[in-house]
Amino acid sequence: KNEVEQSPQNLTAQEGEFITINCSYSVGISALHWLQQHPGGGIVSLFMLSSGKKKHGRLIATINIQEKHSSLHITASHPRDSAVYICAVSNTDKLIFGTGTRLQVFP
Amino acid sequence: NAGVTQTPKFQVLKTGQSMTLQCAQDMNHNSMYWYRQDPGMGLRLIYYSASEGTTDKGEVPNGYNVSRLNKREFSLRLESAAPSQTSVYFCASRTRDRDGYTFGSGTRLTVV
Repeated sequence: KNEVEQSPQNLTAQEGEFITINCSYSVGISALHWLQQHPGGGIVSLFMLSSGKKKHGRLIATINIQEKHSSLHITASHPRDSAVYICAVSNTDKLIFGTGTRLQVFP
Repeated sequence: NAGVTQTPKFQVLKTGQSMTLQCAQDMNHNSMYWYRQDPGMGLRLIYYSASEGTTDKGEVPNGYNVSRLNKREFSLRLESAAPSQTSVYFCASRTRDRDGYTFGSGTRLTVV
């Protein structure tokens, strides 16, 4: 079993829909990271969380430390949100990555 | 622009050839990392350097060597490339354990 599990693996949505991507982990962590990767592109850090909730524009990330679970929400989704979203956890000096959720938003 | 710069962006090697992937950051970060990304798998840590002058193995170090030349630069060397090393390689850096990571744009390597 992977130490970081994401669901769903693939997600399609119509423009304007509310999107949720989930991440569960089984190890002790110092922080959880949400990353974005566009096709053929580099990796961009969206959020780093150790508790509670963070918001940036249309993106919201939450974490429940007791349940070892995090969610990434996208409100009013847009085709430019189409990307792979990766959950990763910091464990000592290293990151442990999930396999990513591929999101496609259609106009 | 400040960030992590990787070179080259693309490379094709023949089996047995050697090459060095370069990574440089201009953010005065202490820690630097090399990851590989393969289809269907999460990114996996090859080597990392917690500070200038130190390097440590990650999850998949076999077939690779690294050099932390100075605080800015962290290079990854393939001494004798194998088809199993076909992958996308990412360099990343950060300042402290509780800081976010900054990633380079990646190097797409194909070994034939």
